Amino acid sequence: GDSVTQMEGPVTLSEEAFLTINCTYTATGYPSLFWYVQYPGEGLQLLLKATKADDKGSNKGFEATYRKETTSFHLEKGSVQVSDSAVYFCALSPLGTFGKGTHLIIQP
Amino acid sequence: NAGVTQTPKFRILKIGQSMTLQCTQDMNHNYMYWYRQDPGMGLKLIYYSVGAGITDKGEVPNGYNVSRSTTEDFPLRLELAAPSQTSVYFCASSYGLAGRTGELFFGEGSRLTVL
Repeated sequence: GDSVTQMEGPVTLSEEAFLTINCTYTATGYPSLFWYVQYPGEGLQLLLKATKADDKGSNKGFEATYRKETTSFHLEKGSVQVSDSAVYFCALSPLGTFGKGTHLIIQP
Repeated sequence: NAGVTQTPKFRILKIGQSMTLQCTQDMNHNYMYWYRQDPGMGLKLIYYSVGAGITDKGEVPNGYNVSRSTTEDFPLRLELAAPSQTSVYFCASSYGLAGRTGELFFGEGSRLTVL
């Protein structure tokens, strides 16, 4: 069946550091790919998405590119802020298969 | 601006008790989902529905039941609660299957403890 593997956390970075959270997937067909973010005590919300190979999703300074050849969708941000501290989930369609989540902690 | 609303937010149950988690959405979405989130395990799909009167099992349906009598509502029933059902439950909805027509919209979650 479909599955998503993402790097385990917690990931601790200093403010303004470069961020990469790795995500790889296995799926049949051509899924769409998502990154969701969960702030403490809240539900998940969509951060960005890509619906076909080579698409780049972007939002709030975060980016991820749909790489079909490597079955990857790595999340990147050039300069993180304390407010980016949250849990990040990689997911794919059609029924929202989720990775285990990566807890990101940004220190001032 | 309600979106997806879940109740209750917190609940403690004794082993063997039953309860219903309520979920309603006001976005006229056809698709609705129930997930559970356990620490370090991501989200697991319990049940989903593609429209009123239609439901189907997800990855972890045992111990749960659902119904979908209206487009808006998708309650999750726990029968004979067990400690293994201690979790945070999220209801979500979408216009269609996630990815084909858009994103999942999540409720704020319901934290259930079974003692």
